[in-house]
Amino acid sequence: SQKIEQNSEALNIQEGKTATLTCNYTNYSPAYLQWYRQDPGRGPVFLLLIRENEKEKRKERLKVTFDTTLKQSLFHITASQPADSATYLCAPILTGTASKLTFGTGTRLQVTL
Amino acid sequence: DAGITQSPRYKITETGRQVTLMCHQTWSHSYMFWYRQDLGHGLRLIYYSAAADITDKGEVPDGYVVSRSKTENFPLTLESATRSQTSVYFCASSEPTGELFFGEGSRLTVL
Repeated sequence: SQKIEQNSEALNIQEGKTATLTCNYTNYSPAYLQWYRQDPGRGPVFLLLIRENEKEKRKERLKVTFDTTLKQSLFHITASQPADSATYLCAPILTGTASKLTFGTGTRLQVTL
Repeated sequence: DAGITQSPRYKITETGRQVTLMCHQTWSHSYMFWYRQDLGHGLRLIYYSAAADITDKGEVPDGYVVSRSKTENFPLTLESATRSQTSVYFCASSEPTGELFFGEGSRLTVL
């Protein structure tokens, strides 16, 4: 069955460092992948979308890579700040099934001073 | 204000009662979704709708009913609530292959 794996353990990093979060998927080949941020008690908020033919996508301090051979996406936050502390969710999407977006369980990032 | 709103934000009910969670969006997005979020399971899709009067099951539809008579509304009904339906429920909307816009969630407790 299709599976999405994100590190369930919290990632603790120091302010100013680069945070790297991993999203692995198995048993399917997504056409693109979305990343969302979720703060406690709030709904997820869309951050970035990367397509299978794009190796890398950037938005300000955020960078996403998409390796279809490894079946993995990496999400980087450079120069991290305490305000980046949140849970980050990945959502790989098959072509034609964007209507059934499936999310990973998310990785909680904690950025400390 | 444009956006997606859910009501109620908090609800406590008893086993066996019917509960309806409301969702309203102002963008005229064609797609709407209901997810539940539980610790250890992440977000799981309950039902989705591609347009008015078109709905389909997601991963965990049992015990839930939806309708979509108007594009902007997508209510979720628990016909006979069970304790296992205690959860946080999120409504979302989107265009067919676009990003999802989520509401703030409805926290439901079934006693």
